[in-house]
Amino acid sequence: AQSVAQPEDQVNVAEGNPLTVKCTYSVSGNPYLFWYVQYPNRGLQFLLKYITGDNLVKGSYGFEAEFNKSQTSFHLKKPSALVSDSALYFCAVRDGVDMGRRALTFGSGTRLQVQP
Amino acid sequence: EPEVTQTPSHQVTQMGQEVILRCVPISNHLYFYWYRQILGQKVEFLVSFYNNEISEKSEIFDDQFSVERPDGSNFTLKIRSTKLEDSAMYFCASSDGGTDTQYFGPGTRLTVL
Repeated sequence: AQSVAQPEDQVNVAEGNPLTVKCTYSVSGNPYLFWYVQYPNRGLQFLLKYITGDNLVKGSYGFEAEFNKSQTSFHLKKPSALVSDSALYFCAVRDGVDMGRRALTFGSGTRLQVQP
Repeated sequence: EPEVTQTPSHQVTQMGQEVILRCVPISNHLYFYWYRQILGQKVEFLVSFYNNEISEKSEIFDDQFSVERPDGSNFTLKIRSTKLEDSAMYFCASSDGGTDTQYFGPGTRLTVL
């Protein structure tokens, strides 16, 4: 079984400061990892993913994430937060070994609040 | 940029009624999915669909649920006899299988009274 943990319900950061949203995962095979963002009354918007290769992945809107296999983590980061980054962020995982099973397992979400 | 669309945006129904939620996936995508998000809870996988058949389903996807691709563009989720606990936001997603990125629609909010 695969699972995702987002240990923080909410992260507060001042505009211009760096932000980190934490994610740890559990999967039996090779992890395919994703970050999505959800704005109020909107769907899930893809930010970035890790499939293989460089452990530092860059995505949309200046976000990046670092895959750490030994710590089974995939934390989302941004060097300088914007007020417009305030939203709900979801980490998701699937097992990359079993190509017949493509279901994403999501974390519970972390609300990012960026204060002006 | 191509996107997944869903209709209606909000559906209100009486308990026991049938509802059909509609989705138009991205045109060259091959894999289609339904997820749901009960208010305040995490996003949960329901079913995936490939090559005109269900390829994977969760334990949530019981006999009251069905999916169909009635033509070359639409992908539907039918709930045969709705229950109060079916109230949720239902998201459709699609992927091309190559990049493995699932792109989500804006969702349909289903309210069962």
